[in-house]
Amino acid sequence: EVQLVESGGGLVQPGGSLRVSCAASGFTFSSHWMHWIRQGPGKGLVWVSRINGDGRRTDYADSVKGRFTISRDNAKNTLYLQMNSLRAEDTAVYYCTRDQLTGSVGFDFWGQGTMVTVSS
Amino acid sequence: DIQMTQSPSSLSASVGDRVTITCRASQTISIYLNWYQQKPGKAPKFLIFAASSLQSGVPSRFSGSGSGTDFTLTISSLQPEDFATYYCQQSYSTPYSFGQGTKLEI
Repeated sequence: EVQLVESGGGLVQPGGSLRVSCAASGFTFSSHWMHWIRQGPGKGLVWVSRINGDGRRTDYADSVKGRFTISRDNAKNTLYLQMNSLRAEDTAVYYCTRDQLTGSVGFDFWGQGTMVTVSS
Repeated sequence: DIQMTQSPSSLSASVGDRVTITCRASQTISIYLNWYQQKPGKAPKFLIFAASSLQSGVPSRFSGSGSGTDFTLTISSLQPEDFATYYCQQSYSTPYSFGQGTKLEI
């Protein structure tokens, strides 16, 4: 059974840093692109970042570029998102998602999410 | 960046109704369009990929169509568990943008 379990969320002050993690199980982690998607309180879904299977290719939304870093440890089956210079507008539930292995991108499994609150 | 616009933003319907949600892309995206269902306090669920392909385990009352810039999600006969918010998402190019959501209410 595919499982994605996020952790590391919490309350952080503006300008601060936080690293969230996603522990994956039930599939060959290194075979899949992985993504982070966030959802602000009462708002819609926003794609944040992606990383390929060996960790060598990454992409970011403009709103987080230069502040957030996505990475993975395939030996530990874990995905990370390092978030620096956090702003109030980064407050959201952060979801770890798996990209399906078909020819088109699709987020076929999601974690339960971890809440990040940026506030003084 | 590609903008995705859904209509309507909210929709009231009854069990057994046939409903259609529309999604429009700001530029052509071929068939690179996915649909998700989200219930309150839960993570989204993957319903349809490549505009019309049903994800494994999704009931056949869900269907998708369209190509280019205009797409639809249809639920042929609403069931109580279908009342949720639905999002379209383009997978043509990064940043992978979502529509603003359509809330389907009883």
